[in-house]
Amino acid sequence: GNSVTQMEGPVTLSEEAFLTINCTYTATGYPSLFWYVQYPGEGLQLLLKATKADDKGSNKGFEATYRKETTSFHLEKGSVQVSDSAVYFCALDLNNNDMRFGAGTRLTVKP
Amino acid sequence: DSGVTQTPKHLITATGQRVTLRCSPRSGDLSVYWYQQSLDQGLQFLIQYYNGEERAKGNILERFSAQQFPDLHSELNLSSLELGDSALYFCASSVGTAPGELFFGEGSRLTVL
Repeated sequence: GNSVTQMEGPVTLSEEAFLTINCTYTATGYPSLFWYVQYPGEGLQLLLKATKADDKGSNKGFEATYRKETTSFHLEKGSVQVSDSAVYFCALDLNNNDMRFGAGTRLTVKP
Repeated sequence: DSGVTQTPKHLITATGQRVTLRCSPRSGDLSVYWYQQSLDQGLQFLIQYYNGEERAKGNILERFSAQQFPDLHSELNLSSLELGDSALYFCASSVGTAPGELFFGEGSRLTVL
């Protein structure tokens, strides 16, 4: 079936460190891929998205590239800040009314 | 502020009881989605409504039901509550029938004692 697998957390980094959160997917069609972020006490909000192979989504210094050959959509940021501490969710949408989310990866950034 | 409003924010109740969670979608959005977030199962899709009609069903228990009203607000009814139903319930909305970008409310935290 269609699913998303994220690297398990929690991830703890020091400020200005490089971040990678791995995400791979299984899908029968051609999904759109998303990263959502959940800050403490809030709902999820869209961070970035990519709708076709080789597209790169970017926002707030975060980037992810839709890799069809490796079925991946890894999230990266060159220099994390304390304010990036949150839970990050990878998700896929096959345009069939069922967006599948990964389990979420908790990131803590220490000063 | 996503524009999606959920009430109540917190709810504590006992096993066997029934509760109703309410969601007002973002202005102009016709689709409403309900998700359950628990520690051990992540974010699970429950059900989607589009313009008053049920559009898709996910892992929703028979004890749970939902509806979307003509003014587009939605209610999720949870009955015969069990301890395992304790979770954060999110409502999300989108413009069209396919998720695309979802706008989430802040969630309703349900605790079943």
